[in-house]
Amino acid sequence: GEDVEQSLFLSVREGDSSVINCTYTDSSSTYLYWYKQEPGAGLQLLTYIFSNMDMKQDQRLTVLLNKKDKHLSLRIADTQTGDSAIYFCAEVGDYKLSFGAGTTVTVRA
Amino acid sequence: DAMVIQNPRYQVTQFGKPVTLSCSQTLNHNVMYWYQQKSSQAPKLLFHYYDKDFNNEADTPDNFQSRRPNTSFCFLDIRSPGLGDAAMYLCATSRDLGEGSNQPQHFGDGTRLSIL
Repeated sequence: GEDVEQSLFLSVREGDSSVINCTYTDSSSTYLYWYKQEPGAGLQLLTYIFSNMDMKQDQRLTVLLNKKDKHLSLRIADTQTGDSAIYFCAEVGDYKLSFGAGTTVTVRA
Repeated sequence: DAMVIQNPRYQVTQFGKPVTLSCSQTLNHNVMYWYQQKSSQAPKLLFHYYDKDFNNEADTPDNFQSRRPNTSFCFLDIRSPGLGDAAMYLCATSRDLGEGSNQPQHFGDGTRLSIL
């Protein structure tokens, strides 16, 4: 998995849903991850999905996986100002995480 | 409580002057990783330790070295920093290596390195 692609920017109104999309390349990836990075901080593991699942819900977060199209999305319901951050999707092959370039989510009042 | 701790949070060094960044973990994980992250880019893996076994990425410059004296600590040494080495350096750990089982990586808050 060398090329994980994400859109770079997303602007969303507070209270609306955010949807961040990602495409990956390695069909053998068993787990796919979403990480959140706030300004000046490290990466926080938000959620992950196993490749034999097509959906996972965790409170405000919903992950959808379309394995046929190698498409992963993260939906954040009721987006809050604290959700402003960069979101990275990542696939794992052997030991190595391959990250997308990150989607900067800006939440406006 | 922070489980992967990086010190210092900010480090300034002079061009060509060796610098060491440190990472410690309380998770007792087997694997420790060092990443370099430049502005507006994804983290880039430099190397990792599986226990005492060191694994360098093919494109990691020779200028970057690492030490892991025990399970809890791992150091990143930059022998002769250049201006292009200014970046955020992230340490991460995982219980074991990926290889088909869920071994998520847990990151520290990073050390931002500036080169004068």
